[in-house]
Amino acid sequence: DADVTQTPRNRITKTGKRIMLECSQTKGHDRMYWYRQDPGLGLRLIYYSFDVKDINKGEISDGYSVSRQAQAKFSLSLESAIPNQTALYFCATSDFTWTSGSDHPTDTQYFGPGTRLTVL
Amino acid sequence: KNQVEQSPQSLIILEGKNCTLQCNYTVSPFSNLRWYKQDTGRGPVSLTIMTFSENTKSNGRYTATLDADTKQSSLHITASQLSDSASYICVVSATTGTASKLTFGTGTRLQVTL
Repeated sequence: DADVTQTPRNRITKTGKRIMLECSQTKGHDRMYWYRQDPGLGLRLIYYSFDVKDINKGEISDGYSVSRQAQAKFSLSLESAIPNQTALYFCATSDFTWTSGSDHPTDTQYFGPGTRLTVL
Repeated sequence: KNQVEQSPQSLIILEGKNCTLQCNYTVSPFSNLRWYKQDTGRGPVSLTIMTFSENTKSNGRYTATLDADTKQSSLHITASQLSDSASYICVVSATTGTASKLTFGTGTRLQVTL
């Protein structure tokens, strides 16, 4: 989705290096997420943020940190990259809405194009 | 533990043929189920979303079904096209208050050939 952009799109780095992946969105959503995708596994949540002052760990946050600089920007950092962090990383945003006539809210996520990170 | 299992892992079909992808889940409390399409090198894009009370929903040639009793969903693709070649991911949401926890399946990789 062009409304969610990620930089860089590809990155090769060495073990021990600090890496920052950036995500920007123009959808005006408060909620932003970072996922990683590995072959044979479903997307797994690293961190999420429901607004600028709200940061939460996901299921696999160890070795990662995040920064929500503004509503539109959410960065993921690998303080000291290791080879098993080689993966495809996705940023996503979502809105949380109640549909008329429904008793359940929907929280549709819009994904960025991904960053392929290789740690040697 | 919340889980989403998809089958088959991969599938090859001829252009113009139909196919059905399966999703079984054990997620509680269930809020909704989505099917996403992920083209190679791209992020997932939502195809359909169904809540507990919906048992079928269509989006063009894509039709999703949901049986909340058996906790199964299927995605049926009619008259497949080469552009349907992608991974299809089933995602189940458990919502508590204003927070949703998503559980992703590993996807079915579909290849449509001539």
